[in-house]
Amino acid sequence: IAGITQAPTSQILAAGRRMTLRCTQDMRHNAMYWYRQDLGLGLRLIHYSNTAGTTGKGEVPDGYSVSRANTDDFPLTLASAVPSQTSVYFCASSPVGTGGGDEQFFGPGTRLTVL
Amino acid sequence: GQNIDQPTEMTATEGAIVQINCTYQTSGFNGLFWYQQHAGEAPTFLSYNVLDGLEEKGRFSSFLSRSKGYSYLLLKELQMKDSASYLCAVKDSNYQLIWGAGTKLIIKP
Repeated sequence: IAGITQAPTSQILAAGRRMTLRCTQDMRHNAMYWYRQDLGLGLRLIHYSNTAGTTGKGEVPDGYSVSRANTDDFPLTLASAVPSQTSVYFCASSPVGTGGGDEQFFGPGTRLTVL
Repeated sequence: GQNIDQPTEMTATEGAIVQINCTYQTSGFNGLFWYQQHAGEAPTFLSYNVLDGLEEKGRFSSFLSRSKGYSYLLLKELQMKDSASYLCAVKDSNYQLIWGAGTKLIIKP
């Protein structure tokens, strides 16, 4: 099935715990992104990758890390979760990354609660 | 700083027309996108404008004025399924999308 998958769908996590959110796409897109979406705020970019083997920081990278070992996978890790990281996390991909009209395709999201 | 402004919420009647406005101030401009997001779901692409003018796609149209930093999304013949949030996003000089907070559109019968 073409598209982007994310896992888990939702998670409740104790503060201080380590957590990895998984993201896989099968569209052979070069670029991938991680966003968080909080009520009343727009989507905010956490990290991105324009191609396998490279990553970059977005608007709100602190407390998060990513890796891009291959084209398909782009995991997001919270090294030591804090309550302010409670959010809905969306993974997205796009064919090029640096193109103007490069549409982003989104995964279904992961709802994370940190207590 | 970079800023995207759009109304928080709008209400319209089934069968009518609604216009959702978006104003932006960004470092550079490489196009403006509109996405639709139903409650509890992921955003999905609606339209892209990079040149001034109107782009029409079925019941949805999107307009851009780069000199005014302004866009609108026009939805015609509204249907109940159009109840959703509509997100405006601008691609900046680094080709990163800057997102507005979204406009929640409520359709009444």
